[in-house]
Amino acid sequence: GAVVSQHPSWVICKSGTSVKIECRSLDFQATTMFWYRQFPKQSLMLMATSNEGSKATYEQGVEKDKFLINHASLTLSTLTVTSAHPEDSSFYICSACEREPYEQYFGPGTRLTVT
Amino acid sequence: GQNIDQPTEMTATEGAIVQINCTYQTSGFNGLFWYQQHAGEAPTFLSYNVLDGLEEKGRFSSFLSRSKGYSYLLLKELQMKDSASYLCAVLNSGYALNFGKGTSLLVTP
Repeated sequence: GAVVSQHPSWVICKSGTSVKIECRSLDFQATTMFWYRQFPKQSLMLMATSNEGSKATYEQGVEKDKFLINHASLTLSTLTVTSAHPEDSSFYICSACEREPYEQYFGPGTRLTVT
Repeated sequence: GQNIDQPTEMTATEGAIVQINCTYQTSGFNGLFWYQQHAGEAPTFLSYNVLDGLEEKGRFSSFLSRSKGYSYLLLKELQMKDSASYLCAVLNSGYALNFGKGTSLLVTP
């Protein structure tokens, strides 16, 4: 089956630093990748939709200059949290579509803690 | 806008049947998903409905009524390992998933 990986699985960083999270489709080419954020005991909130070779589409309320998304290839999308603050601490999950948009495969998630 | 509602918590007994309801009002509809999520893990796919009716897959079934904006997930022969959060999600017109807040199911002995 289709496998999506994320790296790192968890990261702790200091306030003011930047963190990059990678999302890779391991055995398929993903035309579209999605980035979600999940706070404790809450559901997943879509942050942005990323298509290979084009700019990401951000959801309302998500700062595109703070959450930089780069979908440079059909197997890799990266999310960079710039100038991280404690309130950015969350569980970040990506998903990838191979062909049909309803076939989304989720990565295992990255837990970010900003101290 | 997007509005997806499901109960916050439910409790059921091992071996029983439980139905988790979801109502939605979204801009565009390209199908409804149910996911299972254990704490600290990513969601895992359970079912996908795009047409009205019941889809059965083993112990899990999912129903959709598009005219009513309503779906339910039915879990039969509950097992302790079924204790998890169950997420209802609608695939919108932009083909992104809009998730409900999730229903935390506790299965007791």
